[in-house]
Amino acid sequence: DAGVTQSPTHLIKTRGQQVTLRCSPKSGHDTVSWYQQALGQGPQFIFQYYEEEERQRGNFPDRFSGHQFPNYSSELNVNALLLGDSALYLCASSDGRPSYEQYFGPGTRLTVT
Amino acid sequence: QKEVEQDPGPLSVPEGAIVSLNCTYSNSAFQYFMWYRQYSRKGPELLMYTYSSGNKEDGRFTAQVDKSSKYISLFIRDSQPSDSATYLCAMSARGGGSEKLVFGKGTKLTVNP
Repeated sequence: DAGVTQSPTHLIKTRGQQVTLRCSPKSGHDTVSWYQQALGQGPQFIFQYYEEEERQRGNFPDRFSGHQFPNYSSELNVNALLLGDSALYLCASSDGRPSYEQYFGPGTRLTVT
Repeated sequence: QKEVEQDPGPLSVPEGAIVSLNCTYSNSAFQYFMWYRQYSRKGPELLMYTYSSGNKEDGRFTAQVDKSSKYISLFIRDSQPSDSATYLCAMSARGGGSEKLVFGKGTKLTVNP
């Protein structure tokens, strides 16, 4: 049973560019959450998708947007990249019922130069 | 005041020691408490998941929650060099399945052979 997968593993972008990160949830999971983890910090919640809708959003600007597909996979898009967007981007999946755990993927390391 | 406070360490112990990791929180709505282990440049791995107050044991790991003090702990018995990682506490009000997790900064642990 494959766990949460993310692609790409890492990438380097230039300030002002746009980036798309991808996530496939663990089998049987229908809810995907995205987190940003800066170096030396804990993950910070960006948003959560359930039934192809954004269910909850953290304190991130509109430059961060997402999408969930009918097969429950998800994309995170970041426009107009800033140096401060350099971080490990983590995807977590869960069964959408409240009491269930979130399982994380390996992350995508984004470097903005 | 941050919602979740965690001493970032670093913490260095000899092999076989008992390790105590702690977090405090300010949001009394939190009901679900988790501990994740994160190896360098990897995604967080769920270790323990507890609801409300009390203790939960899993092998060498014990999680404690004291809601009256807004204080949670993770104990590692007979620590091994393979336990060397960053340990993140996380919590939520309604459970990770349908809601964001709020993380501490993480405590970096090194177990020396």
